[in-house]
Amino acid sequence: NAGVTQTPKFQVLKTGQSMTLQCAQDMNHEYMSWYRQDPGMGLRLIHYSVGAGITDQGEVPNGYNVSRSTTEDFPLRLLSAAPSQTSVYFCASSYSSGGSGYTFGSGTRLTVV
Amino acid sequence: QQPVQSPQAVILREGEDAVINCSSSKALYSVHWYRQKHGEAPVFLMILLKGGEQKGHEKISASFNEKKQQSSLYLTASQLSYSGTYFCGTCNNAGNMLTFGGGTRLMVKP
Repeated sequence: NAGVTQTPKFQVLKTGQSMTLQCAQDMNHEYMSWYRQDPGMGLRLIHYSVGAGITDQGEVPNGYNVSRSTTEDFPLRLLSAAPSQTSVYFCASSYSSGGSGYTFGSGTRLTVV
Repeated sequence: QQPVQSPQAVILREGEDAVINCSSSKALYSVHWYRQKHGEAPVFLMILLKGGEQKGHEKISASFNEKKQQSSLYLTASQLSYSGTYFCGTCNNAGNMLTFGGGTRLMVKP
């Protein structure tokens, strides 16, 4: 049982480039979300999804897009990378958004130069 | 709005106890607690649902006061393995958004 898988683990982008961070879970969880964590800081919610075809914005959605075409996958797209988006990105999934614990992926460390 | 955690950092000797507090300005559906080791992903510890309850997980337990919108995490007889950063996450009343506090860095020394 793989849990939540994130790829890539590390990425360096140039300012203005776009890329997609991949997230897949094999636990049949309905709820998935993306967080970013800056050094020495807490986790901030970017986008979330309560099921396939349904997404919504979190605390810091600007500069990011998401889609949820299947229950298993929840990719995060950076439209035009900026240095302020340098961070560690975590994907998480759960049976329900508020009533169950979250399982986190191992994270993607993104640097924008 | 993110919950507020206190203290920001704690240093303990093995066997000592600690309390970490988490408060929110909004009504809550649930409170989550996670521990994160350096360079790793957060790991789920426990969840407390509204209705006011206390839960235990080995020597780590937590309480949730729904009326005060506050939760506390209790670590008793701390072990070296308890070191890490503890995050509380509060879920809004709609039950669809989990936001995290700034974290409490806990260091347990021999």
